Amino acid sequence: DQQVKQNSPSLSVQEGRISILNCDYTNSMFDYFLWYKKYPAEGPTFLISISSIKDKNEDGRFTVFLNKSAKHLSLHIVPSQPGDSAVYFCAASRTDSWGKLQFGAGTQVVVTP
Amino acid sequence: EPEVTQTPSHQVTQMGQEVILRCVPISNHLYFYWYRQILGQKVEFLVSFYNNEISEKSEIFDDQFSVERPDGSNFTLKIRSTKLEDSAMYFCASSVDSRNQPQHFGDGTRLSIL
Repeated sequence: DQQVKQNSPSLSVQEGRISILNCDYTNSMFDYFLWYKKYPAEGPTFLISISSIKDKNEDGRFTVFLNKSAKHLSLHIVPSQPGDSAVYFCAASRTDSWGKLQFGAGTQVVVTP
Repeated sequence: EPEVTQTPSHQVTQMGQEVILRCVPISNHLYFYWYRQILGQKVEFLVSFYNNEISEKSEIFDDQFSVERPDGSNFTLKIRSTKLEDSAMYFCASSVDSRNQPQHFGDGTRLSIL
């Protein structure tokens, strides 16, 4: 199932700089998108979400951008901190799907001092 | 902050045995989910549950799987006759609503089938 794709398996960024994570989707029926962060041996932790009626949502250091025509979303983390080192998952759902989330494969982010 | 709790953290079971994975969702949440992640693969949806009924299930969720909310707090996933390919991390999640509301995940149960 390749409806949600994260094409970059890893990203290395210096502390204090911006991290940009990308996600593409193929199903135009998706209307709610989320980003999760995951540390080893823990479950996914919700970071930020966006509904398809918006193109941007911001929460502190995290901003999600949605480009519906390109079926693309991105997560910006500014400034990056060492504690941001984790795997980041993009997920998408449809209003008519009883909450079923479809996940991307994840991007491993490493923030270096 | 309220959280989803899952027990046990690790379960080792012989192939063919029944296993029950337990979850306590966040108390004011009404929608409950199970996902799994096989090592090296994506997180996959198994089932959603609302008002004591399955709302949606994936093709993975065959007759070997069942879910139950036996009381007001627990939400369980039962695998009747485990197979080697059931070895995975199983995550429980809950949400206030199924629409445009984030799901909050537990830390998972690692299920190892021998």
